[in-house]
Amino acid sequence: GAGVSQSPRYKVAKRGQDVALRCDPISGHVSLFWYQQALGQGPEFLTYFQNEAQLDKSGLPSDRFFAERPEGSVSTLKIQRTQQEDSAVYLCASSLGVVGYGYTFGSGTRLTVV
Amino acid sequence: DQQVKQNSPSLSVQEGRISILNCDYTNSMFDYFLWYKKYPAEGPTFLISISSIKDKNEDGRFTVFLNKSAKHLSLHIVPSQPGDSAVYFCAASVIKAGSNYKLTFGKGTLLTVNP
Repeated sequence: GAGVSQSPRYKVAKRGQDVALRCDPISGHVSLFWYQQALGQGPEFLTYFQNEAQLDKSGLPSDRFFAERPEGSVSTLKIQRTQQEDSAVYLCASSLGVVGYGYTFGSGTRLTVV
Repeated sequence: DQQVKQNSPSLSVQEGRISILNCDYTNSMFDYFLWYKKYPAEGPTFLISISSIKDKNEDGRFTVFLNKSAKHLSLHIVPSQPGDSAVYFCAASVIKAGSNYKLTFGKGTLLTVNP
């Protein structure tokens, strides 16, 4: 597709529920990133993939967060046993190269945990 | 501990005038800086960037200035247009190190350009 596509756009989860957020990067983009943006804050780095390899997961807040990109294209961010502090917009971005030169973000998934 | 700070949550300017958005950083390892623009319900869009080997980069109406000694950068928009109304994020990266893909963002500044 023309841009980075994320689904669903909005997700309401009950506390304790598991959720899965999907990201379709721009075709051919090697690098894929997940960021978390809490209300009133800037995006914060979660994890980075180069093709199917997860090279950095240092930003994942806890072991309840898990990301995968098994075939080097579509990626899924999974959050187990959601808590209220997980409420945020989850942004996916992709880029052709590997450096932080202006990668393309999707519109995000707004997760609300009630 | 905020490594990238945008101390003005909002800025309002008249159409046709200059908009100046400011950003300060604390990590002296940062050597590449970017500005992103974000409209409501959309993802951030890359606007302009600057390497630490330069002190100015210009692209049309947008100019970014970098003052390394002060650890300060600014984005100038001249002339400002109503369509520029958005949240502007400053971001920084360490290109030299192995984690050059990781961006550290400020909290953003909401720019409103009044017709």
